[in-house]
Amino acid sequence: AQSVTQPDIHITVSEGASLELRCNYSYGATPYLFWYVQSPGQGLQLLLKYFSGDTLVQGIKGFEAEFKRSQSSFNLRKPSVHWSDAAEYFCAVATTDSWGKFQFGAGTQVVVTP
Amino acid sequence: DAGVTQSPTHLIKTRGQHVTLRCSPISGHKSVSWYQQVLGQGPQFIFQYYEKEERGRGNFPDRFSARQFPNYSSELNVNALLLGDSALYLCASSEGYPDTQYFGPGTRLTVL
Repeated sequence: AQSVTQPDIHITVSEGASLELRCNYSYGATPYLFWYVQSPGQGLQLLLKYFSGDTLVQGIKGFEAEFKRSQSSFNLRKPSVHWSDAAEYFCAVATTDSWGKFQFGAGTQVVVTP
Repeated sequence: DAGVTQSPTHLIKTRGQHVTLRCSPISGHKSVSWYQQVLGQGPQFIFQYYEKEERGRGNFPDRFSARQFPNYSSELNVNALLLGDSALYLCASSEGYPDTQYFGPGTRLTVL
């Protein structure tokens, strides 16, 4: 069965420290991969996406993610976290035969401490 | 350019009632998808419409229905509301296949 797993429900990080959020997927077809961020009570904002090509993708707000096909992973990273990065982060996966039907992970809540 | 817009922002209904949620996609986008996000979980796919035709349906009961209009806006209808229908309902639009989905701010539905 197709699935998207975000192993960490909650992460606490100090301001200025690095951040890595994990995402693993199980799909038979070539996946299209996304990271979204959601602030409380808000919709989802796209951080970055991977369709093909360079496996290291840059996004907004200083985020980057690396697609590793051998590990079925698409981990999100930021070198230095700002207090405004506190939010919930969702990994999402789609395929060409299920376009428009994104499958989301359960999310990772990021708390930033001073 | 305006992003995806949804109305209303908040809605309170009682069990057994019916609700209609509305979504306007980004200009030029022909695909609209609906998602349900229960508190503490990731969004769950409900429907996708592309060029006014249903292209996908998630694992939701027949109480949920949707349609897309000639201007590509969309409505999500839920009949016979249950307490478990309380959630944030998100609409997303994309230009076509394959493409990024852009999300609206959502409609917060509370069923009492």
